[in-house]
Amino acid sequence: DTGVSQDPRHKITKRGQNVTFRCDPISEHNRLYWYRQTLGQGPEFLTYFQNEAQLEKSRLLSDRFSAERPKGSFSTLEIQRTEQGDSAMYLCASSPQGDEQFFGPGTRLTVL
Amino acid sequence: KQEVTQIPAALSVPEGENLVLNCSFTDSAIYNLQWFRQDPGKGLTSLLLIQSSQREQTSGRLNASLDKSSGRSTLYIAASQPGDSATYLCATDVYALNFGKGTSLLVTP
Repeated sequence: DTGVSQDPRHKITKRGQNVTFRCDPISEHNRLYWYRQTLGQGPEFLTYFQNEAQLEKSRLLSDRFSAERPKGSFSTLEIQRTEQGDSAMYLCASSPQGDEQFFGPGTRLTVL
Repeated sequence: KQEVTQIPAALSVPEGENLVLNCSFTDSAIYNLQWFRQDPGKGLTSLLLIQSSQREQTSGRLNASLDKSSGRSTLYIAASQPGDSATYLCATDVYALNFGKGTSLLVTP
């Protein structure tokens, strides 16, 4: 068990550019979650997948955000036309069905 | 919407003290309550998971309790060490986790 991995760990981009993050969950975990965390706050839920199906999306997930989990394995989170307000730590977690969630190290996004 | 509150927001204690971190939540219809540790700039490390049917869980020097009826959980850390310095987050879930803002703990040698 190698844990949840995320790539890249850090991303600096200019406003208006598109960015994509990847998350590899713990193998055989069928649930995968994305959260966003800003400084001094707890993580906030963005979306989650049960295998390849995206079952829930937060109101925080604007039209500029899209997430996929093809084949129910790794997941990608894309942000189009980034804004300075998108600067945050993006965290991925996985779990067996409805059980303890295990988090990755996060991707720190800075939008200039 | 579930609201999770953690008190205190920050805590500084000398090494060796026993301490209690508090977590309260507004909606008792939860599946689990999970406590995490977060070091600066890092991801979250799961410490303890309490299922809704359970009252407490223990791991080493950590003990977490859950009282669903009153909407409260506590994390007890025994014999604190400087390595325990971190932010501690509690979260409740139905399908996704709802987090508090955390308690920032500093244990001084």
